[in-house]
This record gives sequence, C-alpha cells and structure tokens, in this order.
Amino acid sequence: EDQVTQSPEALRLQEGESSSLNCSYTVSGLRGLFWYRQDPGKGPEFLFTLYSAGEEKEKERLKATLTKKESFLHITAPKPEDSATYLCAVQEGGSYIPTFGRGTSLIVHP
Amino acid sequence: DTGVSQDPRHKITKRGQNVTFRCDPISEHNRLYWYRQTLGQGPEFLTYFQNEAQLEKSRLLSDRFSAERPKGSFSTLEIQRTEQGDSAMYLCASSTAVPHEQYFGPGTRLTVT
Repeated sequence: EDQVTQSPEALRLQEGESSSLNCSYTVSGLRGLFWYRQDPGKGPEFLFTLYSAGEEKEKERLKATLTKKESFLHITAPKPEDSATYLCAVQEGGSYIPTFGRGTSLIVHP
Repeated sequence: DTGVSQDPRHKITKRGQNVTFRCDPISEHNRLYWYRQTLGQGPEFLTYFQNEAQLEKSRLLSDRFSAERPKGSFSTLEIQRTEQGDSAMYLCASSTAVPHEQYFGPGTRLTVT
C-alpha cells in the first residue's frame, strides 16, 4: 500500500477556474508534509511545509491545508504559468527521508 | 545563494560503462540526498548523508551504485556497469536539520543505450 497517494493524476483547467489537488497519506506520526512544483525536465521546486493538522500556508494563487489524513493544494484563479506537476511528500516521525507521491499533472489552458 | 547544482546535466552512455555524477549542495546545508525519478513517478530515495556520513541507503539500491561525500560538501554518485534500466533523472537535494524541506538541483538525465 502506497504511503502517499495523490489525486487526480492529471487535471486540466481553464484559466481562472479554481480547483484543488489532494494528497492522502497513511504514515503514523507525521513529521512534515511538503508540496513541490516540478516543471518538465527540471528538479522539484519547494513550495510549502505543513507540520500539524489545521495548518495553512499561502503563496500567490496557491494555498495548502493539512488534516490528520490528507492535504489539499488549492489553486485560485490559475494562470497558464501554473501548469506543472505538483508533488506531495511526507516525512514520518523518526525519519529524515520523505516519501513522495506520483504527483498531479496540472495543465491550465488560456 | 546559488542553489543546488548538478553536473553533468545530461549523460548518454553505453550499457556496461561506469558513470559518475556530481552534486554541490547549498553551502550551509549539512544534509544531502540522492533520488532517482522516472517518467510519471515521484522521486525515489537512493541515499542520504549528514555531513560526510552516509546514514541511510535504500534497500532497493543495487551494489552497482555508490555515493560519497568526502568532506561534507559536494557529493558524487557512481553507477558501475550501467544497465538500460538505470536510465532516469538523478536528482540531488540538500537541507538543514530544521526545517526539513529539501531544495533540489536541476538533475542529471542519464540515458543508457
């Protein structure tokens, strides 16, 4: 069973059409949950760290939230430049090794 | 701060050859990680250093893979006797102890023919 599951695998939006990406996890004792953005052929770019349920972080059109079992990345009024793969990773208590999900590929059409 | 750098960015090699990749982390980061990523997958952990000590290796990591971080600064990842299944993007990341978020380099794309 995967520890980190991201959904949907792919998402197509029209510019300005808000939506949410989901990351569900099954680790016990969460040390941290991380969101990254990855453009084709490049390394992941760090976006947010969330540590505890109820925590929220915002950056431009992105807002990340965390519950005890899942995290959401909300994208408000997306633009074509938000097109990328969004990766979620979780770090279990006692470990310094994050486990990554497979990502959600987001395409925003103008 | 110049970020994490990796060299080379692309490597094409023939099956059976050895290859070595280099990673220069962010200077104040004491933790360094190597990952492998294939198309449609998230990064898969390979190995992790704290300063010069290699603290953890993936159980999936073949004996053909070896990594070093001799002075706790840059790191190298060597793959011996490459196989076609080694074709992937090899990513390096670094972090401090707290907070734990990792900063990734641009990756090295390996193609084994």
